[in-house]
Amino acid sequence: QVQLQESGPGLVKPSQTLSLTCTVSGGSISSAGYYWNWIRHSPGKGLEWIGYIDYREKIYYNSSLNSRATISVDTSKNQFSLKLTSVTAADTAVYFCVGDSGVSGAGSFEYWGQGTLVTVSS
Amino acid sequence: DIVMTQSPDSLAVSLGERATINCKSSQSVLFNSDNKNYLTWYQQKPGQPPKLLIYWASTRESGVPDRFSGSGSGTDFTLTITSLQAEDVAVYYCQQYYNLPYTFGQGTKLEIK
Repeated sequence: QVQLQESGPGLVKPSQTLSLTCTVSGGSISSAGYYWNWIRHSPGKGLEWIGYIDYREKIYYNSSLNSRATISVDTSKNQFSLKLTSVTAADTAVYFCVGDSGVSGAGSFEYWGQGTLVTVSS
Repeated sequence: DIVMTQSPDSLAVSLGERATINCKSSQSVLFNSDNKNYLTWYQQKPGQPPKLLIYWASTRESGVPDRFSGSGSGTDFTLTITSLQAEDVAVYYCQQYYNLPYTFGQGTKLEIK
């Protein structure tokens, strides 16, 4: 069973960069057909898909982030990461890393981390 | 972007009764080449991540009780919970994965009457 765990600072200052890492266990991050997503949940915007990196290391982002997001993968550590630049209070949210095997179609989110609250505040 | 709109925003149902949640997409999520609706339903309980209940609009994820069912096609979808149990209290979300960016409904809070 694939399991995911987010890690990173819980407090980020405005205008700085939010950095989160997701560690995948129970399977290889390079497994064919898999998609590795970041999703956030805030009271103001609800659930918002941020982007994904797939098993071929193709990356797609939600344009609503205005090119502030960068997703990368470290296959040697079985991890993938999110960086979000120039953060504001509107980026305060619970951030989830989410795995999708593609079996039921890419974008059907089967495996979720527990989520980590990131607060943007000075 | 495809806008997903759920109704109602909240719902109170007696134990053992039926709960019905609706979801409407701003454009069709039916993929003609495979005749599948790219629509999922999730359940989120307090302090937990969302849990996948149903994909392709009507296929239950493994382990999901059969009192949960999904229906609909094109732009109009329904999640039905027959014989509501206490553990079904949660927020329910629909989500389209027909195209990028994937988008979610605003959620429906289900409570016991």
